[in-house]
Amino acid sequence: GAVVSQHPSWVICKSGTSVKIECRSLDFQATTMFWYRQFPKQSLMLMATSNEGSKATYEQGVEKDKFLINHASLTLSTLTVTSAHPEDSSFYICSASQPGIYYEQYFGPGTRLTVT
Amino acid sequence: GENVEQHPSTLSVQEGDSAVIKCTYSDSASNYFPWYKQELGKRPQLIIDIRSNVGEKKDQRIAVTLNKTAKHFSLHITETQPEDSAVYFCAARRTGANSKLTFGKGITLSVRP
Repeated sequence: GAVVSQHPSWVICKSGTSVKIECRSLDFQATTMFWYRQFPKQSLMLMATSNEGSKATYEQGVEKDKFLINHASLTLSTLTVTSAHPEDSSFYICSASQPGIYYEQYFGPGTRLTVT
Repeated sequence: GENVEQHPSTLSVQEGDSAVIKCTYSDSASNYFPWYKQELGKRPQLIIDIRSNVGEKKDQRIAVTLNKTAKHFSLHITETQPEDSAVYFCAARRTGANSKLTFGKGITLSVRP
């Protein structure tokens, strides 16, 4: 299947700083990428849908000024958590949609963010 | 929007027994139903999926059934093994590049040796 990578795999930052997470589709061009957040023992919660070259669509309740998404190319989307707080500590996972009849989604390995 | 309910929330079976996990969905336009297995700290891994034009799909010890009329689909794992222990998520989605997956809450499957 298609391969999606994320970087970094884990990051620790201080409260008030910003953190950037990269999501790359390695062997296909992804017209659409999705960003999820997962708290311990909970399901994946969709944060936003991003399309190459256009503004991301955020889910209700997700602060677009806090979670900045840039989908600069067909293989790269970035999520920047600005002014991070301890409550932003979570597992962030991206997925990329492979063009085709069914637009199957492939998940990245996730990024563990800890804000101290 | 779509709402996916998954039950039970936990399931414990003896090694070698079968496990069945059920999900219901609300959006009659959903036509793609994947199942994911997630181990602690790792990404969700697609284990099987079914589309609305078929009623059943099988892959070795894993099968999925879909009842479009009742809007429910189920994951069946036969001859369970300890390595099947994980969290399993069902999801539903419409067709389309921007169509988003709606996940169930997940079930923790424990296979007792």
